[in-house]
Amino acid sequence: DTAVSQTPKYLVTQMGNDKSIKCEQNLGHDTMYWYKQDSKKFLKIMFSYNNKELIINETVPNRFSPKSPDKAHLNLHINSLELGDSAVYFCASSLGTGGGEETQYFGPGTRLLVL
Amino acid sequence: QKEVEQNSGPLSVPEGAIASLNCTYSDRGSQSFFWYRQYSGKSPELIMSIYSNGDKEDGRFTAQLNKASQYVSLLIRDSQPSDSATYLCAVNVYSGAGSYQLTFGKGTKLSVIP
Repeated sequence: DTAVSQTPKYLVTQMGNDKSIKCEQNLGHDTMYWYKQDSKKFLKIMFSYNNKELIINETVPNRFSPKSPDKAHLNLHINSLELGDSAVYFCASSLGTGGGEETQYFGPGTRLLVL
Repeated sequence: QKEVEQNSGPLSVPEGAIASLNCTYSDRGSQSFFWYRQYSGKSPELIMSIYSNGDKEDGRFTAQLNKASQYVSLLIRDSQPSDSATYLCAVNVYSGAGSYQLTFGKGTKLSVIP
């Protein structure tokens, strides 16, 4: 019954590899987000999709490519992984496009370690 | 660049005391403000949201907003060891085309000493 779920929970990989992280929400929300939290715990938005359409695209290397097959799913594919990509990646969702006091609900996070 | 500033701490308070967490933001157009709690190794969870100037209370938590001074604070009364966590201040910023995004501060680590 998890509201926002992510797979995998942990990901250890070598530099240069390509990997994907998947996110699913069962809240019926229209908007989903990807955040990156670095080693200093700073949480920063990367992308946002509303009804499968990209609405927020922060300054992120183009090695990162999000994809939303439907409004309940948002995946993140990372090409040519670098050491600096090591972080915790959180998926989140909200009912609308985030205005007012709309709450964002976070998934459990994917801990990515690039060796 | 829209910024949200918090003292990184750690902030240590004895059990039963009031913990006071502060946050300032740079975007005068921001309308909504949020406090998230994040335990070590876990995801952020919403504690309070506030939209209007003044105080908003929910149990042991009180959020305070002063838009003129561009600060928002969180008070935790009767602090418990289970309140020990990192508290993230987040500000809703309009990002165009009808969408908003949360800008987070770097968090304040709170330790409640038994």
